[in-house]
Amino acid sequence: DTGVSQDPRHKITKRGQNVTFRCDPISEHNRLYWYRQTLGQGPEFLTYFQNEAQLEKSRLLSDRFSAERPKGSFSTLEIQRTEQGDSAMYLCASSFGGGNEKLFFGSGTQLSVL
Amino acid sequence: DAKTTQPPSMDCAEGRAANLPCNHSTISGNEYVYWYRQIHSQGPQYIIHGLKNNETNEMASLIITEDRKSSTLILPHATLRDTAVYYCIVRGLNTGNQFYFGTGTSLTVIP
Repeated sequence: DTGVSQDPRHKITKRGQNVTFRCDPISEHNRLYWYRQTLGQGPEFLTYFQNEAQLEKSRLLSDRFSAERPKGSFSTLEIQRTEQGDSAMYLCASSFGGGNEKLFFGSGTQLSVL
Repeated sequence: DAKTTQPPSMDCAEGRAANLPCNHSTISGNEYVYWYRQIHSQGPQYIIHGLKNNETNEMASLIITEDRKSSTLILPHATLRDTAVYYCIVRGLNTGNQFYFGTGTSLTVIP
């Protein structure tokens, strides 16, 4: 399978714990995006990378959230001191970029904070 | 922020065409109209996009009005597997070239 893969698919954690998610994009894609989606809502943009550079962060991304893409390939999204409001589906997408950009999404990581 | 308006839900009979409308009255000349869909428990899937002209691919057709203030996604022969939430997105310089999803239209294909 050469699509976007995310790990884990599900994560249950207790409030206050740290969690880390991984995203492996389509190999030749230079852009990588993170979105968050809560029940009944569309995906909300969090941040994106062009190669290893993090070019934009949404104001939704609090200081407890950090994302990295160290070698311009896979990416990690870490949430420190999780809160119940962090419970959501975290989606990763990748693309070639450009004016006719198309995002290809993974299946997401469902986070439940108890 | 989303710049589109879609009906929250629609039904369509299996085998019939599904016509999903989208209003984007504030669209700018350099902004594209994109459609994605999301089947339950999966990530969004790209369907089609266009700037001015109507577009067709193996999944759907996109009809954009001449003034570009609205568009319609057409699934020519809806199947049960087309049941999903469909998102209409306007993307361009005015949106920072980001994809902002609204709440979409929940399409139910009825047997």
